[in-house]
Amino acid sequence: AQSVTQLDSQVPVFEEAPVELRCNYSSSVSVYLFWYVQYPNQGLQLLLKYLSGSTLVESINGFEAEFNKSQTSFHLRKPSVHISDTAEYFCAVSQINDYKLSFGAGTTVTVRA
Amino acid sequence: SAVISQKPSRDICQRGTSLTIQCQVDSQVTMMFWYRQQPGQSLTLIATANQGSEATYESGFVIDKFPISRPNLTFSTLTVSNMSPEDSSIYLCSVEATGGGYTFGSGTRLTVV
Repeated sequence: AQSVTQLDSQVPVFEEAPVELRCNYSSSVSVYLFWYVQYPNQGLQLLLKYLSGSTLVESINGFEAEFNKSQTSFHLRKPSVHISDTAEYFCAVSQINDYKLSFGAGTTVTVRA
Repeated sequence: SAVISQKPSRDICQRGTSLTIQCQVDSQVTMMFWYRQQPGQSLTLIATANQGSEATYESGFVIDKFPISRPNLTFSTLTVSNMSPEDSSIYLCSVEATGGGYTFGSGTRLTVV
């Protein structure tokens, strides 16, 4: 099974400041990579995914993540956060042709005015 | 992508009782997945449910404790049996999403007292 490490458990950030959430995974084989967001008292929503192609993927609400195969990383970034971005963010990985998702421990982002 | 309706959204149950969680998908899917999210922790896959066959359980989860039904291609149930306070968690169902990735239900927040 994959091992997924989210290096920061808590990230406090001021509104309009940039944020980066780090994610590393253990596999040396080809993988699919995902970021999910969980707003308070809600379920998981897919934020963005890397399946193939361009290593930089973007979401509709300004987040982006870059797949770095040599560093086995998939860090999530946003150049300017909003109060509404306060949530828990989970990095997840699956091996190609394997349906099992392995999740990181999550990073709680708290955006303050 | 598929839309998942999960119920109940939350429940408070007495120890020793059982709770059945339902997951309804608006399209036919081959596999359905059940996850547990313990307080303050990440998601852990409980089992994978295919229609017409026994569910496949992950290490640490057994059928007697978490029986699963999958009567057709749009519906599944997970029962949490003989509950104890340690079973207090959010339980989520998930299906593969069109175009890659996975869609999650909104979750069932279970508190065992």
